[in-house]
Amino acid sequence: LAKTTQPISMDSYEGQEVNITCSHNNIATNDYITWYQQFPSQGPRFIIQGYKTKVTNEVASLFIPADRKSSTLSLPRVSLSDTAVYYCLVASFGSASKIIFGSGTRLSIRP
Amino acid sequence: NAGVTQTPKFQVLKTGQSMTLQCAQDMNHEYMSWYRQDPGMGLRLIHYSVGAGITDQGEVPNGYNVSRSTTEDFPLRLLSAAPSQTSVYFCASRPQGGSLNTEAFFGQGTRLTVV
Repeated sequence: LAKTTQPISMDSYEGQEVNITCSHNNIATNDYITWYQQFPSQGPRFIIQGYKTKVTNEVASLFIPADRKSSTLSLPRVSLSDTAVYYCLVASFGSASKIIFGSGTRLSIRP
Repeated sequence: NAGVTQTPKFQVLKTGQSMTLQCAQDMNHEYMSWYRQDPGMGLRLIHYSVGAGITDQGEVPNGYNVSRSTTEDFPLRLLSAAPSQTSVYFCASRPQGGSLNTEAFFGQGTRLTVV
């Protein structure tokens, strides 16, 4: 299973763009990259998923370079409500695939 | 659809007691899993299942049992509760591997305290 490494914490201010980078040097060919968001006392919530290049949805963008050894979650114009823990995961679509969480990045947004 | 439902939401156990945490999903997902989350930490995989009748161990399986007799339900049993099992437990489900959709859906968690 590809292990992921991401910063323990980040701080930013309302209205700024926040980029959280995740390293996954041992990613396999059939692995996808997925990001989850977790608020206190709640279960994680899916944000975005990608395989290569760039993916964008209404919440975030995910940038994946050609070698796929890292990925960057981009949150445009954050607000106080984006304060949460963000997890980067790598998992394959295989039927026996386990989903392993790392430690996550604790993002704090200030006014 | 209710999604993933966990019961109970809160539970206090005495050391040595056993209990079962319930998890049910109504999305016909094949893959289900249990995680525990200690204060200030990430989620750790306890057990998971890729379909009815099939279960496997995750990162921290000791002290827990699971069974998967139906697609909908995936109960987690604590055999003999210990204070080290004080944690928040999350159940998750997602579609079968091979689908392009790997989004996992989580329940609201069960906060367990063992005294």
